[in-house]
Amino acid sequence: NAGVTQTPKFQVLKTGQSMTLQCAQDMNHNSMYWYRQDPGMGLRLIYYSASEGTTDKGEVPNGYNVSRLNKREFSLRLESAAPSQTSVYFCASSETLDQPQHFGDGTRLSIL
Amino acid sequence: EDQVTQSPEALRLQEGESSSLNCSYTVSGLRGLFWYRQDPGKGPEFLFTLYSAGEEKEKERLKATLTKKESFLHITAPKPEDSATYLCAVQAPGKLIFGQGTTLQVKP
Repeated sequence: NAGVTQTPKFQVLKTGQSMTLQCAQDMNHNSMYWYRQDPGMGLRLIYYSASEGTTDKGEVPNGYNVSRLNKREFSLRLESAAPSQTSVYFCASSETLDQPQHFGDGTRLSIL
Repeated sequence: EDQVTQSPEALRLQEGESSSLNCSYTVSGLRGLFWYRQDPGKGPEFLFTLYSAGEEKEKERLKATLTKKESFLHITAPKPEDSATYLCAVQAPGKLIFGQGTTLQVKP
């Protein structure tokens, strides 16, 4: 009963390095999302995928790219990490848009 | 501008002391309001969905209600294990807007 699985759980990068965060869900959901959570800012949507084969920008997409690899997997890539991208990143999925989202336990990313 | 505001930011209760958390919102075209619970180091855990004013949902010691402008999460006789951050999120066309959360601490 895994739900939404994110890897890695923790990561430290140097400024300018690249990295891909992985997310997989086993609930046969159509829609998947990437958020970042910062103190005092709440959860902010980076990108989402309404269904396999589609991706769209959210509130804070700059500096990120995504790939919906298949129905189960949705990855987030930082091409050139910056200290402002230090955050906790959450992946979520839902049956369709507008349905309750189910979250993974996050990736804690520090960029030095 | 679409906005979701939760109050208070933090709440300390004694075990058994009932209280309510507030989520007020201004959005165009509300499609639903969600309540989540988040424990430290974990992702948000879905609790309730409310779709229309007057709707209520209950789960154990929690009861969520919805009006046209706000939602309340009532906690009856809380226990220490209810300590967590409670998030509300409002579904508008094309976006889900989260509030910043209320951190609840229940002391034995």
